[in-house]
Amino acid sequence: GAGVSQSPSNKVTEKGKDVELRCDPISGHTALYWYRQSLGQGLEFLIYFQGNSAPDKSGLPSDRFSAERTGGSVSTLTIQRTQQEDSAVYLCASSFGTGYEKLFFGSGTQLSVL
Amino acid sequence: SQQGEEDPQALSIQEGENATMNCSYKTSINNLQWYRQNSGRGLVHLILIRSNEREKHSGRLRVTLDTSKKSSSLLITASRAADTASYFCATDERSNYKLTFGKGTLLTVNP
Repeated sequence: GAGVSQSPSNKVTEKGKDVELRCDPISGHTALYWYRQSLGQGLEFLIYFQGNSAPDKSGLPSDRFSAERTGGSVSTLTIQRTQQEDSAVYLCASSFGTGYEKLFFGSGTQLSVL
Repeated sequence: SQQGEEDPQALSIQEGENATMNCSYKTSINNLQWYRQNSGRGLVHLILIRSNEREKHSGRLRVTLDTSKKSSSLLITASRAADTASYFCATDERSNYKLTFGKGTLLTVNP
């Protein structure tokens, strides 16, 4: 595809369940970011992948959150034992990652934890 | 904490007027970017200014950067109702290219 693809676009889950959110970046982009945005708020950095380097996980809010990026392409963000405060839009973005590059964003996954 | 902070949080103007939004940041940067967001979903890149640049133009957009004050401004001239959106600045950190975003300015352009 031409852009960053995220799935699902909406996810409703019950408190305590695990969820997986998927991001398919633009082909050839080495950098991949996950951000979280609560209603009416800014973007909260979660995790950053750059090529084969170890990811920067400094933004993950708790050990219930994890992410992986397989083969330098598709990324999955997993939230275990979801809580109501995890409800937010989860945004993925990618770039060529060589510096001075703009990010291309997906449309996000709206996660609602009941 | 946020690297970039936008000001004001909200701005309401009439169509045809100019809109100015400001961004302040804390640490040395490689570049600063401005993004626009409609309807709370994906962001769209507007303009990038490098740390050695002071001003940049793109259509009706003008961005300035003052590294001594660690601040940037985004000016939208001759605003249109379609410019209604949230605007975010994003900064990297000199030691790496990780981008962090501010809380944004909600711009409303009234017809």
